[in-house]
Formats: sequence, structure tokens, C-alpha cells
Amino acid sequence: DAKTTQPPSMDCAEGRAANLPCNHSTISGNEYVYWYRQIHSQGPQYIIHGLKNNETNEMASLIITEDRKSSTLILPHATLRDTAVYYCIVSTMTTDSWGKFQFGAGTQVVVTP
Amino acid sequence: KAGVTQTPRYLIKTRGQQVTLSCSPISGHRSVSWYQQTPGQGLQFLFEYFSETQRNKGNFPGRFSGRQFSNSRSEMNVSTLELGDSALYLCASSADGGFTEAFFGQGTRLTVV
Repeated sequence: DAKTTQPPSMDCAEGRAANLPCNHSTISGNEYVYWYRQIHSQGPQYIIHGLKNNETNEMASLIITEDRKSSTLILPHATLRDTAVYYCIVSTMTTDSWGKFQFGAGTQVVVTP
Repeated sequence: KAGVTQTPRYLIKTRGQQVTLSCSPISGHRSVSWYQQTPGQGLQFLFEYFSETQRNKGNFPGRFSGRQFSNSRSEMNVSTLELGDSALYLCASSADGGFTEAFFGQGTRLTVV
């Protein structure tokens, strides 16, 4: 069963911030939230991950609610190259989960000029 | 450094045949995971190898098998191909299996006719 729920699609204007929500109401204390994206015909690409604190890197910011039941990925200034399917995944970092991410359907983000 | 290399990129096989796909991970990475991606099922985990040992396995029939060599290169084999095996097969490499530094290859597009 999917551990996360994401909207199937969203549009975003180029240059604006894209806010991608993810619901993970059954997340357990040792599970991290990861975000990956897949541009058409390419392999998924790591974006960011976090446990409970907000995180930021050169690609995006991750905001996790205090109860950790949901999170938001923020792409600060969307470009056309950000058009992709975005996956929100929760997983532990224990050995028995390594390598085997449970990808859901993701959110198809289309950035328009 | 060089990325994850998957060969061949495209393959057409006939039902009942077998096929072997190859994945060369990033130098120094010891974990290789394999995924199947289809329009209907999305990305599904097949198996993960670490230091030549299968560490985790998904819910696929025994026709799907894999192995990893001492140089960390990995192969996956599908025997007695079925039409439903048509998919994009992706491999991901990481230093230890954790997905904070996992890199996916471009995939092998397998078509079974």
C-alpha cells in the first residue's frame, strides 16, 4: 500500500514558486521523507530529504509539518526544465529498506512560459 | 565522474526468450538496485545487491533474477519473457544502499513482441 498521497498533477508558471504537497499520515518515527523527480524518459533524480526539520539545498526546500504527517516541496523559481513527475517517498534508513523505495504515482508538474 | 551506465538502451525480444540487462554503477558504489517501470504499475522495486549479495527483494516471480560481480557491476535476467514484461528497467547505484546519494541510470527499454 502506498505510504504517501500526492495530487496527480499541477501547473506552475515559469519564474514562480511551485509548492508540491505530500500527505504521509502513517509515517513512523524513524522514516525519512524523500523527494525525487523524473523528467520524461530519464531515470529518477534525487532532490532532497528530511526527517523532521526543514531542509534546503540548491534545488529545493522541504517543509515538514510538526506532526510529520505532511510535507511540502518548494521549487523557489520554477523553470521549464522543472517539468517532471515528482515523487514523495517515506522510508527508513535501515538495511532492510535500503535500495527498495516504494514509488507512488507522483505529481506531474508542468511549468508553463 | 561517470554516471550509471545501463546497456543496452533498447531491446526487442520475442515471447518465451530470455534477456540479460547490464548496469555499471558509479565508481566506488557498492549497492545496485533494479526497478521496473510500466505505465500501469509505475516504478516497482525488483531487487538490491550489495557487495555481490542480494540484500533485498521485491515481489516479482522467479523469472526475474540478478547478480552482482566483484567490480559492483550488476546484471538482471528475465527468462521466459511475457508481453507484460515490456517496460523500462532502471538501475540505481549508491555507496551503501541509502537513497540520499542514489543515482539512476537512463534505463533499458525492453519490448516483448
